[in-house]
Amino acid sequence: EVQLAESGGNLVQPGGSLRLSCAASGFSISNYWMTWVRQAPGKGLEWVANINPNGAEKYYVDSVKGRITLSRDNAKNAVFLQMNSLRAEDTALYYCARLGLFDGPVSSDYWGRGTQVTVSS
Amino acid sequence: DIQVTQSPSAMSASIGDRVTMTCRASQDISIYLAWFQQKPGKVPKRLIYRASSLESGVPSRFSGSGSGTEFTLTISGLQPEDFATYYCLQHHNYRGTFGQGTKVEIK
Repeated sequence: EVQLAESGGNLVQPGGSLRLSCAASGFSISNYWMTWVRQAPGKGLEWVANINPNGAEKYYVDSVKGRITLSRDNAKNAVFLQMNSLRAEDTALYYCARLGLFDGPVSSDYWGRGTQVTVSS
Repeated sequence: DIQVTQSPSAMSASIGDRVTMTCRASQDISIYLAWFQQKPGKVPKRLIYRASSLESGVPSRFSGSGSGTEFTLTISGLQPEDFATYYCLQHHNYRGTFGQGTKVEIK
């Protein structure tokens, strides 16, 4: 069974840092683009970042460029989101997802349950 | 970055109604658009990919159309389980942008 499990969310002060992790099971992430999507309380979905299967290509939404870095460890079957200089507007539930839309033939989408990031003093 | 404008932001409809929502992209994205359904407290679920391809297991009352910059999701014969928020996602050039969402409520 394909599963994605996020961790690392927490309450952090403005300007602080967090590292989110996404552990995959039931498939090898080495074959797939992986994505982070976030959802602020009561708001819509926001695409945050994508990383290609070998980690050489990464794309970010403009609002996080220079502050957030996406990486992956295919040997550990995990994806990471390093978040620095956090702002109140980064407060959201962060989902790790295998959207299945970037890999060539479209495959099923899988989502984790999310990890909560709250930026507040 | 490509912007996506989704409309309407909310609609009220009755069981059995045909409902339509639209996403407009700020530039040509071919057919690189997907539709997702999200219910309160749940993770999103993909309904449509490549603008018009129905996800396996999704009821045929859901349909998508469009290409280029204008796309539509139609639900033909609204069912109680369809009351939810719907989002489009453009995924051109390995980047993504979600629409603002359309909340379908019971009239």
